[in-house]
Amino acid sequence: GAGVSQSPSNKVTEKGKDVELRCDPISGHTALYWYRQSLGQGLEFLIYFQGNSAPDKSGLPSDRFSAERTGGSVSTLTIQRTQQEDSAVYLCASSTGTTTIYEQYFGPGTRLTVT
Amino acid sequence: QKEVEQNSGPLSVPEGAIASLNCTYSDRGSQSFFWYRQYSGKSPELIMSIYSNGDKEDGRFTAQLNKASQYVSLLIRDSQPSDSATYLCAVGNQAGTALIFGKGTTLSVSS
Repeated sequence: GAGVSQSPSNKVTEKGKDVELRCDPISGHTALYWYRQSLGQGLEFLIYFQGNSAPDKSGLPSDRFSAERTGGSVSTLTIQRTQQEDSAVYLCASSTGTTTIYEQYFGPGTRLTVT
Repeated sequence: QKEVEQNSGPLSVPEGAIASLNCTYSDRGSQSFFWYRQYSGKSPELIMSIYSNGDKEDGRFTAQLNKASQYVSLLIRDSQPSDSATYLCAVGNQAGTALIFGKGTTLSVSS
């Protein structure tokens, strides 16, 4: 079956611009996660969605970052007024987990470069 | 701050050997543990999950978990050059909302 898809695969933007990154999870997966991976750094959790529950936003690094998930499926991560330190690969993952973390499957990622 | 620690490597093994990758974690309440493989320029690929103490085998891979020692390991038998990649250890947080990743161990298998 189809895996997690993300778009765009690459995004180059100027400092100060807003960007939107999209994630389409595996069909039937109720949990959706956003992570980012900076050069030479580990994967850093950003936000978690589960069904209609309030998202866990504890990993968002600043109020310039926000995310939404419409209809329990597709999610959009928005970064406002981008900064150079926002340059990273943004990864989306989905799983079937509810109260327990089950296997997460990652999409191919969006490479964001802020110039 | 909850942490997951791995040796960065590189770990170099000859083809056909056993590669042993190790990981320790700080949150004693963690319940779910995962190993991912990441090739350069690609996204992480799930290899194994383990939730109970002991060993779990899948093909050439064996995951080992010791919650008392807060230790997870991955053994790769009959290592192949195609196994050369970065291996990421990930631990589920107690809230069940996120994975905490180690920075990964780079494995190099020489033919």
